[in-house]
Amino acid sequence: DGGITQSPKYLFRKEGQNVTLSCEQNLNHDAMYWYRQDPGQGLRLIYYSQIVNDFQKGDIAEGYSVSREKKESFPLTVTSAQQNPTAFYLCASSIWRKETQYFGPGTRLLVL
Amino acid sequence: SQQGEEDPQALSIQEGENATMNCSYKTSINNLQWYRQNSGRGLVHLILIRSNEREKHSGRLRVTLDTSKKSSSLLITASRAADTASYFCATDANTGNQFYFGTGTSLTVIP
Repeated sequence: DGGITQSPKYLFRKEGQNVTLSCEQNLNHDAMYWYRQDPGQGLRLIYYSQIVNDFQKGDIAEGYSVSREKKESFPLTVTSAQQNPTAFYLCASSIWRKETQYFGPGTRLLVL
Repeated sequence: SQQGEEDPQALSIQEGENATMNCSYKTSINNLQWYRQNSGRGLVHLILIRSNEREKHSGRLRVTLDTSKKSSSLLITASRAADTASYFCATDANTGNQFYFGTGTSLTVIP
């Protein structure tokens, strides 16, 4: 069953803590993306990766970090430097850049 | 910014009616896509239209693109309660590697 998965569904972060959101795809897609969505808003790009071991900053990369060690995986770390991390985080993948994106179900991050 | 802007922000119609939502953008594009998002879920791709296309159909969906006006419209015909969702347009720019999503149109279809 092909698709893109994200875990966990809900994540709670304590002040000063780094947390990592998981994103895995078995679609054999080269490109992967992380977006942030705030209530009633559109999606804003955090980071994207076109190939393994390469990634680029999006519009709101400050306070976030990523890695792309495997084609299937693109984890996002929300660092303590991100002052306002409460949001809905969406991961997506596509065969190549600028083509149809397939989205995971999202992770909702809340601050304790 | 390249970001698309959807209009209206919210739309409420009766089941069976048609729903039309619009997207405007600012710079030249290669393609424009429409996505749907049910509350609290990921986005689902609906349709992609390239800059050299003017109209595209998929089931009950009809998308038009007017590059001279930098605008697109999504028409959903014979709407159903299950069409209740937010709809987003996403545009790319001729340069750069990313898409830009609008703030969405929230559609409510009343049974």
